[in-house]
Amino acid sequence: EAGVAQSPRYKIIEKRQSVAFWCNPISGHATLYWYQQILGQGPKLLIQFQNNGVVDDSQLPKDRFSAERLKGVDSTLKIQPAKLEDSAVYLCASSPLWGKNTEAFFGQGTRLTVV
Amino acid sequence: DAKTTQPPSMDCAEGRAANLPCNHSTISGNEYVYWYRQIHSQGPQYIIHGLKNNETNEMASLIITEDRKSSTLILPHATLRDTAVYYCIVRAYTGKLIFGQGTTLQVKP
Repeated sequence: EAGVAQSPRYKIIEKRQSVAFWCNPISGHATLYWYQQILGQGPKLLIQFQNNGVVDDSQLPKDRFSAERLKGVDSTLKIQPAKLEDSAVYLCASSPLWGKNTEAFFGQGTRLTVV
Repeated sequence: DAKTTQPPSMDCAEGRAANLPCNHSTISGNEYVYWYRQIHSQGPQYIIHGLKNNETNEMASLIITEDRKSSTLILPHATLRDTAVYYCIVRAYTGKLIFGQGTTLQVKP
């Protein structure tokens, strides 16, 4: 079974530029998460989708971050404009519809460096 | 905010059992305890989860106290490859996974 695919793996941009990350979840998984992980910290949830609807985006800085999940499959996360403090690893995860025995699977992440 | 408290770091001798504690005193009746680990530069990896009964799989065992306010992850025979950050998570009914700071486990030869 293919895992969660993310691209690119690495990205370096200058502050005030824009950047987009792409995630392809495991086939059939209804729930998709985007996390931000700053060096030395645990992952922080940015947004959670159920199919193509948003379940939770309370931690998403909406003035500069946006995310979409068209057709309830792939997702993109965009930052515009980027700040130095956005340097982090951006992780995507997916899981089946919430239930007793569901687990979330994570991709390898995209490491963003803002200079 | 994370609903769990873990020690920041622990050491374990290779071949011995590693017992990682977690406090989750505010857990609700329908919330599950999940454990993930993260090896450097990789995405978090699922280990095990449980509601109120003890659970065991090929990777680890999960012991949840009767009052469900704490749990322990047990790696029965730790190897050097088990060196990682271990996260204990209380998962909400919405499926939301909130990570804390985790415990850095160092397995030593």
